[in-house]
Amino acid sequence: QKEVEQDPGPLSVPEGAIVSLNCTYSNSAFQYFMWYRQYSRKGPELLMYTYSSGNKEDGRFTAQVDKSSKYISLFIRDSQPSDSATYLCAMSATNYGGSQGNLIFGKGTKLSVKP
Amino acid sequence: NAGVTQTPKFRVLKTGQSMTLLCAQDMNHEYMYWYRQDPGMGLRLIHYSVGEGTTAKGEVPDGYNVSRLKKQNFLLGLESAAPSQTSVYFCASSYRVGQGKDTQYFGPGTRLTVL
Repeated sequence: QKEVEQDPGPLSVPEGAIVSLNCTYSNSAFQYFMWYRQYSRKGPELLMYTYSSGNKEDGRFTAQVDKSSKYISLFIRDSQPSDSATYLCAMSATNYGGSQGNLIFGKGTKLSVKP
Repeated sequence: NAGVTQTPKFRVLKTGQSMTLLCAQDMNHEYMYWYRQDPGMGLRLIHYSVGEGTTAKGEVPDGYNVSRLKKQNFLLGLESAAPSQTSVYFCASSYRVGQGKDTQYFGPGTRLTVL
């Protein structure tokens, strides 16, 4: 089992739809959870950052973390064509041994929002 | 601030040729990373650095070398390019690991084709 699993999609929705993107993980040490957005031919950019369990909202975006189920979600409300991108989840553990304290990325879900 | 910049943006090499990719960041970040991104494989860590003068291997280090002579620069070298190294290369940087400071900021990428 890979440390982080993410459905690659592609996911196609009509404009205005609610989008749900998900990742599961196996390492219970993960404490910090991120969502990156990557437009075509661009580098990933941080979209949401959450610590431990709970919800975080930023405009049309809501990130949820359920550590008991090892499951994280990103919801996009009132989706827009400009939201069309690949969304990557990423996570890290607290004080990851001081060595390779790097982010573990999902493979990304490609989202297309149709006008 | 320019953030993270990468040079060059595109490159075509013949098998056996060598080249160096340059990454520069102006955010005074301690940590720097080199990833490669391939279809269906997600982001894979090649090498990383936790500070000036230090480097370490990531998930897929074979065929690559790196150097961090200055805090703001991280170089990725291919000594003898192979077609399997055809990929998009991303550089990233972060303050440090853990404790909520490990958000990675990505450059725009270098598209490398090895014929």
